[in-house]
Amino acid sequence: KAGVTQTPRYLIKTRGQQVTLSCSPISGHRSVSWYQQTPGQGLQFLFEYFSETQRNKGNFPGRFSGRQFSNSRSEMNVSTLELGDSALYLCASSQGVGESGYTFGSGTRLTVV
Amino acid sequence: GDSVTQMEGPVTLSEEAFLTINCTYTATGYPSLFWYVQYPGEGLQLLLKATKADDKGSNKGFEATYRKETTSFHLEKGSVQVSDSAVYFCALSSPNNAGNMLTFGGGTRLMVKP
Repeated sequence: KAGVTQTPRYLIKTRGQQVTLSCSPISGHRSVSWYQQTPGQGLQFLFEYFSETQRNKGNFPGRFSGRQFSNSRSEMNVSTLELGDSALYLCASSQGVGESGYTFGSGTRLTVV
Repeated sequence: GDSVTQMEGPVTLSEEAFLTINCTYTATGYPSLFWYVQYPGEGLQLLLKATKADDKGSNKGFEATYRKETTSFHLEKGSVQVSDSAVYFCALSSPNNAGNMLTFGGGTRLMVKP
């Protein structure tokens, strides 16, 4: 059974640009959530999608957005990149209810220069 | 809101020593509790979980018991190995949220010396 796949693994962007990250969940999992990991702030929740609908949203500016497709794959987009957006972005998938556990991908390391 | 507090690291132990990483939480209702482990350059791996009070999660020699009375979920292992060196995260998922959302502690780095 394939795990959660995140692409690309590494990305370098310039301030002001935008970026799109992709996440393919485990087959059969309908929930995909995104997290930002930085040394200063730790792991912070960005948003969660279930059956193409955003169910939960964290406390991030509107520059951070996402979407989910009918095959449950998800993308997140960050516009007008700032240096502080440099982080490891992790996505996690689950079947539905969170109590069953979340499976994380290896993450996308974004560096903004 | 929900929050998770972990002991700060790094925790440095010799091989075969006993490990305890403390975790306490604040949440409304009855959250599910998790321990995740992160190895260098990788994502998070679920180590163990507990979904109700007095449940004990266990995996690979690690154990944690859901203590509602003390709002704690401390991670323990009787004999650590060098391969256990990693960062450990305590997390909760609250049933009061509309969907799936994990609230994480700050992480505890464990270093095991041969």
